[in-house]
Amino acid sequence: DGGITQSPKYLFRKEGQNVTLSCEQNLNHDAMYWYRQDPGQGLRLIYYSQIVNDFQKGDIAEGYSVSREKKESFPLTVTSAQKNPTAFYLCASSFSGRGNEQFFGPGTRLTVL
Amino acid sequence: AQTVTQSQPEMSVQEAETVTLSCTYDTSESDYYLFWYKQPPSRQMILVIRQEAYKQQNATENRFSVNFQKAAKSFSLKISDSQLGDAAMYFCAYRSATNFGNEKLTFGTGTRLTIIP
Repeated sequence: DGGITQSPKYLFRKEGQNVTLSCEQNLNHDAMYWYRQDPGQGLRLIYYSQIVNDFQKGDIAEGYSVSREKKESFPLTVTSAQKNPTAFYLCASSFSGRGNEQFFGPGTRLTVL
Repeated sequence: AQTVTQSQPEMSVQEAETVTLSCTYDTSESDYYLFWYKQPPSRQMILVIRQEAYKQQNATENRFSVNFQKAAKSFSLKISDSQLGDAAMYFCAYRSATNFGNEKLTFGTGTRLTIIP
């Protein structure tokens, strides 16, 4: 089955610890994205990548880091510098080009205790 | 920067009736795309419908249609013959078509739609 997988579905971490969220796609998409969802605020873009070994900051990149070593994978690290990391994180991917649909993964709920 | 506004945090509709969700946006661009995404309780984001700004004809997908008013920067979603499975959060989103390499989506804050049996 083609699609986007995110793991784990739920993640709990202690304050001050870094944590890495996984995102894998087998759709052969060029572009991948990370969004954060908070209640009442919709989705906000954290980072995106159009090609391997290149990525760009989104609107709320502070306290996050990413890598894109493989086309299929775009892991997100939530660092201890992120002041309010508890949120729902969604990964998406698409073909590059005009208006191509972004497909979303099932998301990871991160709770920092 | 582009902004997307959904002024209705919650809406409800009787099953089999029609409901319209509102969305306005602000942009200085003339070439862009608009989307409606649905997020059911599973939290999986699903594309409902897409509109290209340079097309005057309103997009339609089965029971879902849009009213795209480019001059007014308005993009409403009409759901006809509402079904229980339509219950979800609905997000309006904007995407530039002129800035290759920056194809991010800008989302509104969402409208929670409840279907009354």
